[in-house]
Formats: sequence, structure tokens, C-alpha cells
Amino acid sequence: DTAVSQTPKYLVTQMGNDKSIKCEQNLGHDTMYWYKQDSKKFLKIMFSYNNKELIINETVPNRFSPKSPDKAHLNLHINSLELGDSAVYFCASSQVQGDNEQFFGPGTRLTVL
Amino acid sequence: KNEVEQSPQNLTAQEGEFITINCSYSVGISALHWLQQHPGGGIVSLFMLSSGKKKHGRLIATINIQEKHSSLHITASHPRDSAVYICAVSGTYKYIFGTGTRLKVLA
Repeated sequence: DTAVSQTPKYLVTQMGNDKSIKCEQNLGHDTMYWYKQDSKKFLKIMFSYNNKELIINETVPNRFSPKSPDKAHLNLHINSLELGDSAVYFCASSQVQGDNEQFFGPGTRLTVL
Repeated sequence: KNEVEQSPQNLTAQEGEFITINCSYSVGISALHWLQQHPGGGIVSLFMLSSGKKKHGRLIATINIQEKHSSLHITASHPRDSAVYICAVSGTYKYIFGTGTRLKVLA
């Protein structure tokens, strides 16, 4: 029944490792997003994909690479993890790009030691 | 200065009080969104509006495009309304979030 799901919910890893977070939506939406929420709870958009095509690519390190195998999935791969990458990462989807209600996943809390 | 400013940052109210959270923005937008983040971390979209006013239950959201300002009102507040309320604006290929207002409603 879950509309937007993310795995894993928690991820604890060492600096320098490579990790992936998966996101899937079963709403039939065309657009998916990745957001980062820092320790001060500030949300910032990282990427947006519309029908598997990259639309928004904010200024994030190129260690972060989104991959959209189909429009229901948007995975986030992070290379060479750093301490500053520790945050909660939210996936979201909306029917179309732009002015549409977004549906958020439960978040993935990433802790880099 | 952030492009999206919210006030207050923190708010404590007694159950039953009328609550107002404000959001001002300095960029051109197509729509403004109000989100609620529960203490458990989940984020729910409350409203998306580009003009006028919307109401859902005890929640009312208004926007004044000329003044670049929006308000979220909660009538007859309840402890279960305790959460962080986040204002966000969207336009062509951009989403910008406010820093959030942490609301605590005491029984």
C-alpha cells in the first residue's frame, strides 16, 4: 500500500564507503525527487527526474549520482562517503514536474562514522 | 537572507488556541506549498496554492501573490498538531524550502 517507499530506513557506514539508497513509488507519477535534510532540519532539493530524465541537478558533489531505471524508481548512489553526508534523505514523487502536490517517502537516516 | 523566510521559528500554544505561521518569499514562484513534518520524521503535503485561500479541516492556508506572503492557520489547535511546518515555493525547475516552524501544542 505504501505510496513512496525507501530502503534502507537507517544506514550507518564508515567514511570512504560507497552506498545506495533505493526509492520506489507506486502512484504512477512522472516525477521523482531526492531531498537532503540536515541536522538543523533544513530541506534542500538535490535532484529531480521527470520520466527518467534529469531535470533538476542542484549543486551537490558529483559523488552523488542518481539513477532512474524506470519512472517508478529513483535510486541515489553515494561514492566516497564523508562525515558531512550524514543527514536524512527523502525521496518524493509528484504527478508532473512543477506545481503539483508531492508525496514523500519515510526518509533514510544516513550516519557516516 | 534566505529566499523563503518563516516566522516564528518556534511556537508553543495551549490546546484550543488559534495559530498562525507566516511565510515570506523573495523569488518569483508558480506555487507555494505547506508541509508538515511529524515528530517521527515523516513529511506530509498539506496544501499547494497559487492564489487565494484553501481550507482542509482545521487548517487554512492563504497566499498574497503581490505581497509574496502566505499564512497557515490552525483553528482549535490540538496536541496532535505538534509538528514542524515547512513552507516551500516552486517554480520552473526549482524548489526552495523555508527553515520550518516548530509548533508545540500543550494539553
